[in-house]
Amino acid sequence: GAVVSQHPSWVICKSGTSVKIECRSLDFQATTMFWYRQFPKQSLMLMATSNEGSKATYEQGVEKDKFLINHASLTLSTLTVTSAHPEDSSFYICGGNRDSKETQYFGPGTRLLVL
Amino acid sequence: DAKTTQPPSMDCAEGRAANLPCNHSTISGNEYVYWYRQIHSQGPQYIIHGLKNNETNEMASLIITEDRKSSTLILPHATLRDTAVYYCIVSKARGSTLGRLYFGRGTQLTVWP
Repeated sequence: GAVVSQHPSWVICKSGTSVKIECRSLDFQATTMFWYRQFPKQSLMLMATSNEGSKATYEQGVEKDKFLINHASLTLSTLTVTSAHPEDSSFYICGGNRDSKETQYFGPGTRLLVL
Repeated sequence: DAKTTQPPSMDCAEGRAANLPCNHSTISGNEYVYWYRQIHSQGPQYIIHGLKNNETNEMASLIITEDRKSSTLILPHATLRDTAVYYCIVSKARGSTLGRLYFGRGTQLTVWP
């Protein structure tokens, strides 16, 4: 299967700061990338979908000004959590596929802890 | 996208086949059935997917009923490393959803030695 990496794997930050998470497709060009959030003992929740070079589409209830997504190239998407608060502490996972007909592959996840 | 229903948990003895069921009674003709699994604190791992026909790969087999309203993922010889949450997801390959995956609660499979 295709390989997706995320960086950092974990991050601790103070409340009010911004945190950037990178998602890279290492051996394929990801036309579409997806960002998910997972709270303890819960399932993955899709946050947003981004296509290379265009604005992200956010799921209902996800604040686009708080979770900034950039998909500037076919191998890199970034998620910036702006003015993070303790309730933003979660496991953030990205996924990517070549196109909508193909399988989505996931990164290993980034664990965010906001103090 | 069609919803899926899975048992919350299942057990399996090591070396035996694990058969994980999934109901997707509202599936439409252009929707695929995908199976992923998530080992604790990791990103989901793709297992297999299918549209109408049964599928097999090096990890598992997918059996889809003729009416496509249910499917079964089969791990032929379960090992301790197969302990994970297994997600059955129905997704359109085309259209407005553009390959989005909406995860349910999945089935926690525990393989016992």
